[in-house]
Amino acid sequence: KQEVTQIPAALSVPEGENLVLNCSFTDSAIYNLQWFRQDPGKGLTSLLLIQSSQREQTSGRLNASLDKSSGRSTLYIAASQPGDSATYLCAVDSGNTPLVFGKGTRLSVIA
Amino acid sequence: DVKVTQSSRYLVKRTGEKVFLECVQDMDHENMFWYRQDPGLGLRLIYFSYDVKMKEKGDIPEGYSVSREKKERFSLILESASTNQTSMYLCASSLVGQPQHFGDGTRLSIL
Repeated sequence: KQEVTQIPAALSVPEGENLVLNCSFTDSAIYNLQWFRQDPGKGLTSLLLIQSSQREQTSGRLNASLDKSSGRSTLYIAASQPGDSATYLCAVDSGNTPLVFGKGTRLSVIA
Repeated sequence: DVKVTQSSRYLVKRTGEKVFLECVQDMDHENMFWYRQDPGLGLRLIYFSYDVKMKEKGDIPEGYSVSREKKERFSLILESASTNQTSMYLCASSLVGQPQHFGDGTRLSIL
């Protein structure tokens, strides 16, 4: 059964820092991997989707990488801002089953 | 832009009541999902549907049922609400292999 782990559970950084959020998964037979953002009391917003054949995806200051063989993905946030403060979740799509979510990393960017 | 609308942002009900949570999406998505989210437990899948009148159990279906009579609407039903069903409920929809789009959630309190 696929399991998704995100470490650390919480992270606090000063504004302007570049940072990396980590996601690992146990079964490398995936269809795609998705990164989401969740603001307090709100639903999830899709940030990036990486297909299994891709190595990375970029959107603005965000870059997500995927290493299927090692079961790892990272979300890189450049020049962090207080508005980036949120919980970031990764989720794995194995094709014929619903997404499996990690528990998220709660990010605080301090001005 | 995809819009997933959940009927209530906040809801307070009494133990034993039958509770209906409604979710509507406007993008003709085949797939629809109901999750609950609790601190420390992350997102847990309750039920999902890949087409009209179809439903599949997720990880925690006990005490819940669903209805999908029309493609755009997916209802979650708490047959006899209990206090341990107090939670944030999130609805999502997607096309196959595409990112899930989430509603803003319903914070349900059972007294």
